[in-house]
Amino acid sequence: DAGITQSPRHKVTETGTPVTLRCHQTENHRYMYWYRQDPGHGLRLIHYSYGVKDTDKGEVSDGYSVSRSKTEDFLLTLESATSSQTSVYFCAISESGSMGHQPQHFGDGTRLSIL
Amino acid sequence: AQSVAQPEDQVNVAEGNPLTVKCTYSVSGNPYLFWYVQYPNRGLQFLLKYITGDNLVKGSYGFEAEFNKSQTSFHLKKPSALVSDSALYFCAVRDRNNFNKFYFGSGTKLNVKP
Repeated sequence: DAGITQSPRHKVTETGTPVTLRCHQTENHRYMYWYRQDPGHGLRLIHYSYGVKDTDKGEVSDGYSVSRSKTEDFLLTLESATSSQTSVYFCAISESGSMGHQPQHFGDGTRLSIL
Repeated sequence: AQSVAQPEDQVNVAEGNPLTVKCTYSVSGNPYLFWYVQYPNRGLQFLLKYITGDNLVKGSYGFEAEFNKSQTSFHLKKPSALVSDSALYFCAVRDRNNFNKFYFGSGTKLNVKP
């Protein structure tokens, strides 16, 4: 398995609180992604990074921010959590350059519940 | 807009029978195509991919997929299903001209009954 660690694995918090999820990789891959998975929607891209300090928005980025200060770490922050952000969050990594056919590799997810 | 469709939420098949999980896509150019599998409480695992060449691609655990350019489809197949194949399957597409992003289908739950 690819070296991807997500933390925490489970979290319960209250509406309005800030939440930060961490993704750590040991593969030195350039690309990192944050997805959320909800029933009936599959995976939806929140944000992605194509290098240190280089990030861009995905299709469901509202209410989320990200940071990548080191190659190995990609943080996802919910500035003020809402119940609609209750979901399972997955981090993924992939290699870069002209190797666009390289697949993504996924962490085991963070189950986030916002009450 | 780019999109990936998995028309069946669930596929039921008896053990030993062949299985097919369908995927069609609407992505410009000639995208890269992928299949992933997800077991409960785990992340997605890569099964196989299509880059170019032979339309039949072989992957992990005896799975294969058939690419059809005219129908823009990439169906996942296995000649003989196992109970342990029961899982959630996702089709994904990556635009060759903008491979910053992957586009995922909504997933198909495969149930293999003994």
